[in-house]
Amino acid sequence: QVHLTQSGAEVKKPGASVKISCKTSGYTFTSYGLSWVRQAPGQGLEWIGWINAYNVNTKYAPELQDRVTLTTDTSTDTGYMEIRSLRSDDTAVYFCARVRLRYDSVTGYYPCCFDYWGQGSQVIVSS
Amino acid sequence: DIQMTQSPSSLSASVGDRVTMTCQASQDITTSLNWYQQKPGEAPKLLIYDASNLERGVPSRFSGSGSGTDFTFTISGLQPEDFATYYCQQYGNLRPITFGPGTKVDIK
Repeated sequence: QVHLTQSGAEVKKPGASVKISCKTSGYTFTSYGLSWVRQAPGQGLEWIGWINAYNVNTKYAPELQDRVTLTTDTSTDTGYMEIRSLRSDDTAVYFCARVRLRYDSVTGYYPCCFDYWGQGSQVIVSS
Repeated sequence: DIQMTQSPSSLSASVGDRVTMTCQASQDITTSLNWYQQKPGEAPKLLIYDASNLERGVPSRFSGSGSGTDFTFTISGLQPEDFATYYCQQYGNLRPITFGPGTKVDIK
């Protein structure tokens, strides 16, 4: 069975950084991507970015790409998301999700659908 | 970036009702459109991918249709466990992924 298990809640001060982990199991890690999505209190879903677990290519949402880094560790089948220079509007629940991939003969793999999700990690940014 | 809109933003329905909601993209996305269900305090769940394909294990009362810029999601025979918020999401090569703002289905 596929499982994605995320690290616990974090409370950070403005300007700090946070790194969240997403431990996966039950599938071949490098055959899929990992994406990160956040949800501010009472709000909808916001895509953060994705990483191809095979070649570690990444793509980020334009509004976050200067502050976010996605990485993976294939020795532990774990993905990580780090956000720097935290602001109060980064307060949200952060989800990781397994990404099914599509293939383009010119540009390679790109993300399609998020078929398994982690339980979410609460990040609170407050002074 | 491609902007997604959903309507209505919320609706009230009864068990057994047929429920329909729409999602519109700001430009042609062919059939690169997925639908998710999210219940309070839970992660989203993939229901429909590529506009009309039912994800494995998802009940057949859920369906999707559409292509280009206009898409429809239908629940045929609303069940108590279907009260939730539904999001559409577009994807494509070389462009950011975006979600719609959601449609909340609650009990009439």
